[in-house]
Amino acid sequence: SQQGEEDPQALSIQEGENATMNCSYKTSINNLQWYRQNSGRGLVHLILIRSNEREKHSGRLRVTLDTSKKSSSLLITASRAADTASYFCATEFGNDMRFGAGTRLTVKP
Amino acid sequence: GAGVSQSPRYKVAKRGQDVALRCDPISGHVSLFWYQQALGQGPEFLTYFQNEAQLDKSGLPSDRFFAERPEGSVSTLKIQRTQQEDSAVYLCASSLRVAGVYEQYFGPGTRLTVT
Repeated sequence: SQQGEEDPQALSIQEGENATMNCSYKTSINNLQWYRQNSGRGLVHLILIRSNEREKHSGRLRVTLDTSKKSSSLLITASRAADTASYFCATEFGNDMRFGAGTRLTVKP
Repeated sequence: GAGVSQSPRYKVAKRGQDVALRCDPISGHVSLFWYQQALGQGPEFLTYFQNEAQLDKSGLPSDRFFAERPEGSVSTLKIQRTQQEDSAVYLCASSLRVAGVYEQYFGPGTRLTVT
C-alpha cells in the first residue's frame, strides 16, 4: 500500500508562476524524498529532507517538512515548461521506499 | 557513467504466458529494488535485494511473481501465468545507502501489457 498522499492530484499553471505540491504520510519517518517522473520515463531524485530538518533548498526547489503534522510541501519557483511532469514524495519504510500517488504538474508556455 | 537499464522496454504477453524482465543496476550499487507502477499511480514496492540476498519480498502480489539476483548484480523479475491485472510498468532502482539514506536511481521501466 502507498504511504504518502500528494495534493493536489493535478495542477496546471503558467510559465513563471510558482507551483506548490503537498504530501501527507502516515508513519514516523527518518527522511522524506521528492522525485520527478517525466512521461514514459523512470523517476529522478530531486531532493531529500531529514526528519530533523524543517526546510531545504535546491536551486528553484524548496521543501518543507512538518513532522508533527506528518506533511511536506514542495515549492517550485519560476516554473518552466520543462517542469511539466509528475512529482512524488517517498518515505523509507523498513527496507523499501513508499511512494504517494503523485501530483501531475502541467506548466503552460 | 551508465545508469540503470531495463529490458525489454515494452512487452506484450498473452494471458497465461510467463515473462522475464531484466534490470542492470549501476555498477557497485549494493541495493536493488523492484516496483510496480499502475497507470496514474505511484510506484508500489515489490521486493528488495542487498547484494544477492532478497531481504524483503513482502510486496510481491502473488506466488506467480519471483525475483532473483544470483550474483548480486543483474536482477530478473519473473511473472508466471500472466494475468490482465499484471499490466503495469515495472521499475527497477538501484541505490547506495549513504549516511543511512537510500537515494534511488531508477531505470526507464518495462511496460508490460497482458492481452
